[in-house]
Amino acid sequence: KNEVEQSPQNLTAQEGEFITINCSYSVGISALHWLQQHPGGGIVSLFMLSSGKKKHGRLIATINIQEKHSSLHITASHPRDSAVYICAFYGGATNKLIFGTGTLLAVQP
Amino acid sequence: NAGVTQTPKFQVLKTGQSMTLQCAQDMNHEYMSWYRQDPGMGLRLIHYSVGAGITDQGEVPNGYNVSRSTTEDFPLRLLSAAPSQTSVYFCASSSRDLYNEQFFGPGTRLTVL
Repeated sequence: KNEVEQSPQNLTAQEGEFITINCSYSVGISALHWLQQHPGGGIVSLFMLSSGKKKHGRLIATINIQEKHSSLHITASHPRDSAVYICAFYGGATNKLIFGTGTLLAVQP
Repeated sequence: NAGVTQTPKFQVLKTGQSMTLQCAQDMNHEYMSWYRQDPGMGLRLIHYSVGAGITDQGEVPNGYNVSRSTTEDFPLRLLSAAPSQTSVYFCASSSRDLYNEQFFGPGTRLTVL
């Protein structure tokens, strides 16, 4: 059983749409990361959160520790948001980062 | 600051060859890690280091060696390349502990024939 599941795996949206990407995990965690990987391959950290909600520009990340679930929201999506979004967390027995397989987002103009 | 740098960006090896992937960071980060990324799978930890002189194995360490003689550098050595090691490799660093923001290098795309 995978310790982390992301949904959807692929998402196509029209410019301006509100987007939600979900991350569910099966172990107790202490912190969760949301990362962005652009088509060129570079990986950038968007958020790290251990409770509640964080906002940066058009991006909002939420986490519910009790439900073992986190979401990444993009408001007023734009083609430049097209990327792979990856959640990763620390937890379980190893205290090492465990990565989801990512959600491929394509925002069409 | 250059952040995290990796060289080379691309490499083709023949089975059995050895090589070293270089990783350096100029942020004085204690923690450095190597990951591989394969299609359909999440990033997987190969080796990591919590400071100069200290390294430990991750999830998929077989076939790879690391050393950490300085805070800045964390090279990854492939001892005898195998086609199963064809992958994209990322180096990452963070300050103090793994709970802080991770900074990733641009990646090295390795093909083993």
